[in-house]
Amino acid sequence: NAGVTQTPKFRVLKTGQSMTLLCAQDMNHEYMYWYRQDPGMGLRLIHYSVGEGTTAKGEVPDGYNVSRLKKQNFLLGLESAAPSQTSVYFCASSYFVQGGNQPQHFGDGTRLSIL
Amino acid sequence: EDKVVQSPLSLVVHEGDTVTLNCSYEVTNFRSLLWYKQEKKAPTFLFMLTSSGIEKKSGRLSSILDKKELSSILNITATQTGDSAIYLCAVYNFNKFYFGSGTKLNVKP
Repeated sequence: NAGVTQTPKFRVLKTGQSMTLLCAQDMNHEYMYWYRQDPGMGLRLIHYSVGEGTTAKGEVPDGYNVSRLKKQNFLLGLESAAPSQTSVYFCASSYFVQGGNQPQHFGDGTRLSIL
Repeated sequence: EDKVVQSPLSLVVHEGDTVTLNCSYEVTNFRSLLWYKQEKKAPTFLFMLTSSGIEKKSGRLSSILDKKELSSILNITATQTGDSAIYLCAVYNFNKFYFGSGTKLNVKP
């Protein structure tokens, strides 16, 4: 079982470059999330999606864009990378449950460094 | 502003000790509280709590929610070196999860 797969696992960018992080899940989950994790700050929500074709902003959306054209994929884009976006990025997915929730399943993360 | 606060931020214990990790929250429209364990990579799910006062147990780990005090604790008894990890608390409301900064537990042999 693949679960949640993130690509790439590591990447180094120069300031101003753009890139896209890909998240793929094979569990038919409706909800998908992008987080960033910085030392001492836990997981902060960047953007999320409650279904194919829908996206919404989280706590720290500035400098990022997302798309969910297919239910199984959730893409995170950095249009013009900045050193402040150096972080570990996690994707997660979960089932929709009416009036409640199911635990999230996480990918292994993408370590991104911006020079 | 919705927030989740965990304490302590870090903890060093010896094998066999019992530890208690704390999570308090101020989140509107609370639905559930979740605990995750994070070792080197992805957080892995431990417990989900929705009702106050009902303890969830899995082996040496247990957790309980107090909705009156807006808090939860995670207990680990007879700690082992394999328990060394960051423990994350998250609160769910509607579509979002709010995470605390985590407690880093180091269990020494």
